[in-house]
Amino acid sequence: AQKVTQAQTEISVVEKEDVTLDCVYETRDTTYYLFWYKQPPSGELVFLIRRNSFDEQNEISGRYSWNFQKSTSSFNFTITASQVVDSAVYFCALISGNTPLVFGKGTRLSVIA
Amino acid sequence: GAVVSQHPSWVICKSGTSVKIECRSLDFQATTMFWYRQFPKQSLMLMATSNEGSKATYEQGVEKDKFLINHASLTLSTLTVTSAHPEDSSFYICSARGRHVAEALSIQYFGAGTRLSVL
Repeated sequence: AQKVTQAQTEISVVEKEDVTLDCVYETRDTTYYLFWYKQPPSGELVFLIRRNSFDEQNEISGRYSWNFQKSTSSFNFTITASQVVDSAVYFCALISGNTPLVFGKGTRLSVIA
Repeated sequence: GAVVSQHPSWVICKSGTSVKIECRSLDFQATTMFWYRQFPKQSLMLMATSNEGSKATYEQGVEKDKFLINHASLTLSTLTVTSAHPEDSSFYICSARGRHVAEALSIQYFGAGTRLSVL
């Protein structure tokens, strides 16, 4: 069975602080993809990143970075110098085969000015 | 990124009426579409998966006669909530996934969601 765990339900940080959102996954498949989506208050899910199971290189995109560690089954997401516009719910998700995405429960990030 | 259009974004209806929600993939062919339901402060719950031209596959506990799904073309899927009741009030989100020749799996893109309120 596939499972995604986001242990942090809610996080509050002050603007300009760095914040890391944790994601731990479970799957028996050797080929799979991991995702992060952002859901702002408007409700629309915004795709942030996809990482396949064979590519463990960390990725940086502007203030966003992702750390994929197969040894610990983790795919953590770090926002550097957080901004108020980063306030949203962030979902980590997993897919393998032709199945739908399996979502974590989400982490609600509040960035306070 | 790819665009998925969902309409309407907000609907209020009386108990007992039916509501149709449309989901369109605007710049790619969606071979598979998904319908999710999200309660406040909770994660997305998959309701059903539909492949173009086939009957939808519903998740356990989802009433297929209550939530009618049609995926008649590669760019359009509809969800009809029949005889809606207050407990059906929720945020419904559609998602579409295409088929990329170069990749075994393609990205799921999401619509903006439909907030349904049944009075």
